Amino acid sequence: GDSVTQMEGPVTLSEEAFLTINCTYTATGYPSLFWYVQYPGEGLQLLLKATKADDKGSNKGFEATYRKETTSFHLEKGSVQVSDSAVYFCALSEGSGGSNYKLTFGKGTLLTVNP
Amino acid sequence: NAGVTQTPKFQVLKTGQSMTLQCAQDMNHEYMSWYRQDPGMGLRLIHYSVGAGITDQGEVPNGYNVSRSTTEDFPLRLLSAAPSQTSVYFCASSVLAGGVHEQFFGPGTRLTVL
Repeated sequence: GDSVTQMEGPVTLSEEAFLTINCTYTATGYPSLFWYVQYPGEGLQLLLKATKADDKGSNKGFEATYRKETTSFHLEKGSVQVSDSAVYFCALSEGSGGSNYKLTFGKGTLLTVNP
Repeated sequence: NAGVTQTPKFQVLKTGQSMTLQCAQDMNHEYMSWYRQDPGMGLRLIHYSVGAGITDQGEVPNGYNVSRSTTEDFPLRLLSAAPSQTSVYFCASSVLAGGVHEQFFGPGTRLTVL
């Protein structure tokens, strides 16, 4: 079945440091890939997405590129802020059009950014 | 729009008790889902619905029932709570955007079963 593996946390960085959170996936077809963020005490919010190979998703300074050859979707940000402290989830959905409504999640990575 | 709302925010049950977690959305989304979040496990799909009157099982359905009588509401029922059901429960609704479903999550219900 489908699965998502992301780097274990927690990750602790200083403000303005470079962030990478690794994510690899296993899927039978051509999945869509997502990064979700969960701020303390809140539900998950979609951060960015990519639907096909070589697509780059970006939002709020975060980027991730869909790499089919390495089955990866690593999250990066050039300069993190204290407000980026949260849990980050990599996820995938399979199927096309209206059938890709079920998400498979990684275990999440806790990021703490210190001032 | 209120988005996806869930009640209650917190609940403590004793083993064997029953309860219903409420979920509602005002975005007219056809697709709704329930997930549970456990430490070190990510989110796992419990049940989902592709429209009013249609539900199906996800990855971890045992011990939970759902129904979808309206587009807006998707309650999750625990018939006989067990300590293994201690978790944070998230409801989500989704809309097709750019060929993929974008999921909107509620704030969660933290359930403790003693």
